[in-house]
Amino acid sequence: NAGVTQTPKFQVLKTGQSMTLQCAQDMNHEYMSWYRQDPGMGLRLIHYSVGAGITDQGEVPNGYNVSRSTTEDFPLRLLSAAPSQTSVYFCASSYSRGRGSYNSPLHFGNGTRLTVT
Amino acid sequence: EDKVVQSPLSLVVHEGDTVTLNCSYEVTNFRSLLWYKQEKKAPTFLFMLTSSGIEKKSGRLSSILDKKELFSILNITATQTGDSAIYLCAVEAPYSGNTGKLIFGQGTTLQVKP
Repeated sequence: NAGVTQTPKFQVLKTGQSMTLQCAQDMNHEYMSWYRQDPGMGLRLIHYSVGAGITDQGEVPNGYNVSRSTTEDFPLRLLSAAPSQTSVYFCASSYSRGRGSYNSPLHFGNGTRLTVT
Repeated sequence: EDKVVQSPLSLVVHEGDTVTLNCSYEVTNFRSLLWYKQEKKAPTFLFMLTSSGIEKKSGRLSSILDKKELFSILNITATQTGDSAIYLCAVEAPYSGNTGKLIFGQGTTLQVKP
């Protein structure tokens, strides 16, 4: 009964380093997404995917890349970390987010707390 | 620009009190409104509301949506220390083609003192 699993839980990077945040779900969800949570700003969508092989940008995509080679996995890559990317990152998934998705709440992972110095 | 605003941003009450959290929104082509509770880690789903005037209830928590006035409230009666959390409101709207996205408010931080 794993749900959405994110690794690592904590990470400290130096400016300019790159890394990948991992996300896996075992619920056969089509839709997966990455959010960042910053104080006073709520959750903001970085990238999302509606199925394997399909990804698209959210509200704040700059500095991040994603790929979706399988239904289960949706890694988020930071290309060259900057202090502005210090945040808590959440991966979330659901069955779909199309017009008929009224009964598809997002399921969240436990988050990755990233600090960039 | 689509927007979701929660109030108050923070609230301190004592056990047994009743609280009302507010969520107002301005979105194009509203689909649904969701409430989440966030303790130390992942937000957990509470309610999804799509129709005006129909109350959703789960134990001491209840929520209702007013699509005419564009707001929702989350009520918690007989609060307990375990209700201390950030409560997030999110509204779903179309984003790209048929795909929707959730627009989150800033959250209300509730602290329940013994």
